[in-house]
Order: sequence, then C-alpha cells, then structure tokens
Amino acid sequence: IAGITQAPTSQILAAGRRMTLRCTQDMRHNAMYWYRQDLGLGLRLIHYSNTAGTTGKGEVPDGYSVSRANTDDFPLTLASAVPSQTSVYFCASSEGGEQFFGPGTRLTVL
Amino acid sequence: GESVGLHLPTLSVQEGDNSIINCAYSNSASDYFIWYKQESGKGPQFIIDIRSNMDKRQGQRVTVLLNKTVKHLSLQIAATQPGDSAVYFCAENKWPGSARQLTFGSGTQLTVLP
Repeated sequence: IAGITQAPTSQILAAGRRMTLRCTQDMRHNAMYWYRQDLGLGLRLIHYSNTAGTTGKGEVPDGYSVSRANTDDFPLTLASAVPSQTSVYFCASSEGGEQFFGPGTRLTVL
Repeated sequence: GESVGLHLPTLSVQEGDNSIINCAYSNSASDYFIWYKQESGKGPQFIIDIRSNMDKRQGQRVTVLLNKTVKHLSLQIAATQPGDSAVYFCAENKWPGSARQLTFGSGTQLTVLP
C-alpha cells in the first residue's frame, strides 16, 4: 500500500519557469490538500479539493493553481515560479477523518 | 483569521520520563483538534485527535487533554522513547465536513535525551 506519493522528491527551478508538482493517492479518499511548509513554521494550506471536479482556495493560494480531474490525482502548478515559493510542499488526503500526508517535495526557486 | 499556536519551540526530556507538549488556540468555534508528529525529512503523521465535546482522549502511550475554558490543548507522551524525537504540531480543524482546512501551529521540537 503506497498511500500518497509525490513527485519529484526535490527540484531546483529558475525563477519564471513553470512547474507542476504531482500527487497521487491510492486510498480512494475524496478530499485532497496541498500545503507548504517553511522553515520554523507550521504547514499552511494552499488549495484543497472536496471531491473530484471541485477545488477551493486555502490560506496562501496566490501563485498556485490546482486541478482535480479524478479521485487519485491532485497536481499543483506554479505558473511562473518566484523565489518566495521556495519551500517544502506536502500533499494530503482524507476521508472524513485524519489527513494522510505524502513525503513532500522540496522546491528551490533561484 | 484566527490561528493556533503558542508552542514552546523546543522541549528536552530524559528517556523514560513523560513529555507534555502544549498548544493554545484562539478560535472558540473550532470543534476538532489534531496532533501530528513530523520526523526530519518526512511528512506529518497523525497521532491522535479530539473533538470539542470531549476533554480527554487516550491512545497508545499518548493522551490529549482539551481545556475549552482557557482554549488550551496538550499532548502527553508517557515513557518517552528516542523514537519520539520529532516536531509535534497541533492543528485546528475548522470545518467538520468532508474537506477539512487544518490550521497548524508552528510546532514544538521534542528531543529525547539518553
């Protein structure tokens, strides 16, 4: 059982480039989430999805977009990366209860 | 928006002692709280949760206490082990529905001393 997988594990990206972080879950959870975690801070919600076909904005959505074409996948796109988007990104899923987190993607924008 | 926080940044305990990690919240309307453990280089891992209609909940070696009067949450770890060393986050779950928007505190780094 894989749970939640994220790709890539890490990435160094030039400012202005477009980047998509991938997230896949095999638990058939309806809800999925994207968080960013910055040094010394807790996780902050970027976007979420209640179910396939729907998305919503979290606390820090600017500069990010998401899509939810099916239950399993929830990609996060940075249309034009900026250095302030340097962070560790975590994807999570839930089904009415606790959230299960992926291993994270470490993104550095130069 | 309101936030969860007021963690001590670090806590050191001797192996075998009990640990108590505290968290204060400010949103009196929140009705669900979660504790997560995050080891270095990994994603957060669920430890235990509690609803606002409870004041105590126990798991394996862990107990969460909720004091709604003073808006305080604590995680107690019994007989702390080296594997308990991690950052612990409390999170407030604002929406008891299908998609929960968690608000996390900044975390407490627990170090277990030999």
